Amino acid sequence: DAGVIQSPRHEVTEMGQEVTLRCKPISGHDYLFWYRQTMMRGLELLIYFNNNVPIDDSGMPEDRFSAKMPNASFSTLKIQPSEPRDSAVYFCASSLGQATYEQYFGPGTRLTVT
Amino acid sequence: AQSVTQLGSHVSVSEGALVLLRCNYSSSVPPYLFWYVQYPNQGLQLLLKYTTGATLVKGINGFEAEFKKSETSFHLTKPSAHMSDAAEYFCAVSGPLNYQLIWGAGTKLIIKP
Repeated sequence: DAGVIQSPRHEVTEMGQEVTLRCKPISGHDYLFWYRQTMMRGLELLIYFNNNVPIDDSGMPEDRFSAKMPNASFSTLKIQPSEPRDSAVYFCASSLGQATYEQYFGPGTRLTVT
Repeated sequence: AQSVTQLGSHVSVSEGALVLLRCNYSSSVPPYLFWYVQYPNQGLQLLLKYTTGATLVKGINGFEAEFKKSETSFHLTKPSAHMSDAAEYFCAVSGPLNYQLIWGAGTKLIIKP
C-alpha cells in the first residue's frame, strides 16, 4: 500500500486566503484523524472521522477551520480565511479502529501564512 | 481521564551510550501504549506498541519498552545509541473513546558524537 497521502507537501499563502489541505487514507481504514503540530503547542488533534462521519471536532480552533470526508478515500481540511497563526505542519492519519488503535501518519503539509 | 507525561523535552546521549526515554501514563482502563518516532520533516512512524501479553515489547531499530503497571510507566530504551536515532519520540496511550490516542508532548533525542 502507498500509505497515507497528503497534498500539497508545502503551502505558502497570504493572510486572508483560503487554504485546502488534502488527505487520502490507507485503503480499508475506517478512522481518519487531522492533527496540527507547532513548536509551541506540540501535536494537537483537530478532528476525527469514523466511516466518513465526523465524530469529534472539539479540537478545531475556530469557525475558520472546516473538514470534510465525502468518501472513504478522501478528506479535506479547509482554512478560510487563513491567518499567520495558522502556520504549522498539518498531519493526516488513518487507522483500522476496530482492530487496533495504531495510527498511520502521512508526511504532513507544512503551511506558512504570511 | 487518560494522560501521558514524557519526562524531559530534550535528552542528550553520546553515540554508543544507553538511551532511556521516560513515559508515564494515567488510564482508567487497561491501556494500549505506543511509542512513535518523528524524523526531521517527516510524519510520525510507529516504533512499538503494547496491547496485551508480554510486558517487554521490542520494536524497530533496536528499541524496546517495558510496560510496568504498578509504576504506570512505559519507558523506551536502546542499549547503544546511533547518530541515526536523532529524532523526536512520542509516547501515546489509548483514549477513552472511539480509538483515540492521547499523546505526550514529545522528547527530542540528541546524539553526541
